[in-house]
Amino acid sequence: NAGVTQTPKFQVLKTGQSMTLQCAQDMNHNSMYWYRQDPGMGLRLIYYSASEGTTDKGEVPNGYNVSRLNKREFSLRLESAAPSQTSVYFCASSAQPEGYNEQFFGPGTRLTVL
Amino acid sequence: GQQLNQSPQSMFIQEGEDVSMNCTSSSIFNTWLWYKQEPGEGPVLLIALYKAGELTSNGRLTAQFGITRKDSFLNISASIPSDVGIYFCAGPRAGGTSYGKLTFGQGTILTVHP
Repeated sequence: NAGVTQTPKFQVLKTGQSMTLQCAQDMNHNSMYWYRQDPGMGLRLIYYSASEGTTDKGEVPNGYNVSRLNKREFSLRLESAAPSQTSVYFCASSAQPEGYNEQFFGPGTRLTVL
Repeated sequence: GQQLNQSPQSMFIQEGEDVSMNCTSSSIFNTWLWYKQEPGEGPVLLIALYKAGELTSNGRLTAQFGITRKDSFLNISASIPSDVGIYFCAGPRAGGTSYGKLTFGQGTILTVHP
């Protein structure tokens, strides 16, 4: 039981390049989330998926797209990376979107955009 | 947007000392979650609080859900070096369709000197 896994762990991009961050969970959770973490700002929600087949914008969605591929997998895509997207990205999952929504986090992807 | 204010922002303490930190909001929360993040890792859930006034312990950690539902407190007793990390409070906003969206505080950075 690996919990939430993310790939890659590290990535360096040039401005304008695209990439997809992968996330998978093996806890049979319904909801999945993408956050970014910047120094002194805590975690900010980019996109979330309350259940398979649905996605919604969070607090900072601009410059990102997501795909809920199936119940296990939720990917985050940067179509044209910008230096402002340099950050640590975390994927999380929870059993249900409402109620006692304890979220479990992956180890993160550290992205640098030059 | 929703704000959670954590204080203090950082703490430097000696091993064996007790630690107190808190989280406040201008809005009511249904649930309070306390996470710990170690360097290079994702946040790990420490304690979840579900009712106003609730006091819950996890080993040397004790957290309380404030009576007003607008604040929460985390205490660590007899700190040890492995307590080092960033402690985040988080919670879903009460009312509306939050769909499990968590708001995070900025974090309290804890350093423990042996």
